[in-house]
Amino acid sequence: DTGVSQDPRHKITKRGQNVTFRCDPISEHNRLYWYRQTLGQGPEFLTYFQNEAQLEKSRLLSDRFSAERPKGSFSTLEIQRTEQGDSAMYLCASSLGHLLAKNIQYFGAGTRLSVL
Amino acid sequence: GIQVEQSPPDLILQEGANSTLRCNFSDSVNNLQWFHQNPWGQLINLFYIPSGTKQNGRLSATTVATERYSLLYISSSQTTDSGVYFCAVEPQNSGYALNFGKGTSLLVTP
Repeated sequence: DTGVSQDPRHKITKRGQNVTFRCDPISEHNRLYWYRQTLGQGPEFLTYFQNEAQLEKSRLLSDRFSAERPKGSFSTLEIQRTEQGDSAMYLCASSLGHLLAKNIQYFGAGTRLSVL
Repeated sequence: GIQVEQSPPDLILQEGANSTLRCNFSDSVNNLQWFHQNPWGQLINLFYIPSGTKQNGRLSATTVATERYSLLYISSSQTTDSGVYFCAVEPQNSGYALNFGKGTSLLVTP
């Protein structure tokens, strides 16, 4: 069990560029979540997947944000036309997601995005 | 949506001291987790505790679900305990998203 893995750890980009982050969940975890954390705040939920199905995406911050989990394993979060306000830590989490299992979420180390 | 309030917002302790962190939440929950965020940003799971009491070494936690609060106790604090402690809850009516408080920032001095 290697934990939740996120790549890259840091990303610096210029305003208007597109960026993509990757998350590899703990193996056998069916649920995968994306959160965003800004300075001095707790993480804020964005979206989640049960296997390959994206079951909640209304809390994505704008239509510039999209996420995929094509084969129910790793996931990507894309931000198009980045803005300075997108600068934040993007966190991924996973959990077992079985009906009778405790929904304990485990977090990756995050991707810190800086938009210049 | 559910409100999660943590107190105190900041805490400075001398090594060896004990502390209690509090988390109040405004609605019934399926899940309550305590995390420690280290200086590199990693969220480390401390407890899954929607109700009851648990202990793990120098840390313990109690959740009184009927009164909608949870407490995290840190005994004999060490400098490595420094960081931000978050309480996060999953509301009964949502079933997935964790809602985080703003955290308690703890500094333990030698």
